[in-house]
Amino acid sequence: DQQVKQNSPSLSVQEGRISILNCDYTNSMFDYFLWYKKYPAEGPTFLISISSIKDKNEDGRFTVFLNKSAKHLSLHIVPSQPGDSAVYFCAASAGNYGQNFVFGPGTRLSVLP
Amino acid sequence: DAGITQSPRHKVTETGTPVTLRCHQTENHRYMYWYRQDPGHGLRLIHYSYGVKDTDKGEVSDGYSVSRSKTEDFLLTLESATSSQTSVYFCAIMTAKRTQYFGPGTRLLVL
Repeated sequence: DQQVKQNSPSLSVQEGRISILNCDYTNSMFDYFLWYKKYPAEGPTFLISISSIKDKNEDGRFTVFLNKSAKHLSLHIVPSQPGDSAVYFCAASAGNYGQNFVFGPGTRLSVLP
Repeated sequence: DAGITQSPRHKVTETGTPVTLRCHQTENHRYMYWYRQDPGHGLRLIHYSYGVKDTDKGEVSDGYSVSRSKTEDFLLTLESATSSQTSVYFCAIMTAKRTQYFGPGTRLLVL
């Protein structure tokens, strides 16, 4: 039973438009969430994180929104660039076991020029 | 890049042989992790370490063992490799800011 779900395996967006990647979780104990980006043949790279005490965190073109009541978070990329084409993983961790993360299956984003 | 290296980067082996993958970090982080990545599953935790000689199992630990005799090195051993262990293996560390950083990965093929 997946505790962290990314229900869209893939997403295509036009360059310059907004990309919205979604993530849902089932464990109400999760209190810290992260997004990673992964290019082929490379390790995942950290993008942005958010604590459950916040509902939004922004870093340049990347913004993460957290809706605790819906157990849902989303990553917005504005404007999307061809270099953003990658697989994006959502991850979550719980307070007492904050050292362990649970990852979603990933969403492949393609930004079309 | 958090100073994480993995070796080897690619390995082909035969069913039934033991295989050891090495993760090396240069920044003295306490927590180290081994994950495997497979299509449709994302990253799944195999084992993790919270200090020298302190390790614990993750979600998919069967068939794997680990050792950490020095802060900087975390070894993953496949005791008797099987075709189901063909995967890409990633090592990670966790910083004090509760963020994990990953190595470049090891691609393992078990024939």
